[in-house]
Amino acid sequence: TQLLEQSPQFLSIQEGENLTVYCNSSSVFSSLQWYRQEPGEGPVLLVTVVTGGEVKKLKRLTFQFGDARKDSSLHITAAQPGDTGLYLCCNNAGNMLTFGGGTRLMVKP
Amino acid sequence: GAGVSQSPRYKVAKRGQDVALRCDPISGHVSLFWYQQALGQGPEFLTYFQNEAQLDKSGLPSDRFFAERPEGSVSTLKIQRTQQEDSAVYLCASSHGTGRYEQYFGPGTRLTVT
Repeated sequence: TQLLEQSPQFLSIQEGENLTVYCNSSSVFSSLQWYRQEPGEGPVLLVTVVTGGEVKKLKRLTFQFGDARKDSSLHITAAQPGDTGLYLCCNNAGNMLTFGGGTRLMVKP
Repeated sequence: GAGVSQSPRYKVAKRGQDVALRCDPISGHVSLFWYQQALGQGPEFLTYFQNEAQLDKSGLPSDRFFAERPEGSVSTLKIQRTQQEDSAVYLCASSHGTGRYEQYFGPGTRLTVT
């Protein structure tokens, strides 16, 4: 059974600060995804990465996938209150998603 | 277009009661998934349908949990004789096809068992 560990579990920062959250897997990812979940809502897909070493950017978010395809990081530049939420990394093995425990981010104005 | 909808959004049940949670997927989506999300945790896979066929139910925690999708559209997750440990948010997701298509999640049903 694949285990995904995310760190930190909680992060509270001021608006304008930068931050990085991490995801480590006990085994190689089939396809790595990052989701954001806001209170009372379901997770929303942010990005999918497949190739080791891949870097993807989505506005102020930068996603890196480790060369060995067992770890990933999400970096947010100049965080805004709208970035507040639960960030989940996930292995997409086709017909099943395996999620990490998430990093709960709060960005204070 | 309309997204995935779930009802009820909140459900309080007394221990031992049966509950039924409904999921309306995006129209035309072939695949439907159920996940359980405990407080402070990530979602955990419960079961998966392709059209009306339940192809994987390996994540259902006990035989008190039962899911169906009789006409390949709406799905119902039923929990019999609810226990306190069943308290969680139950998320439904649908996708256009099989394999690594994007899954679109509904807002979830928060079940509290007292």
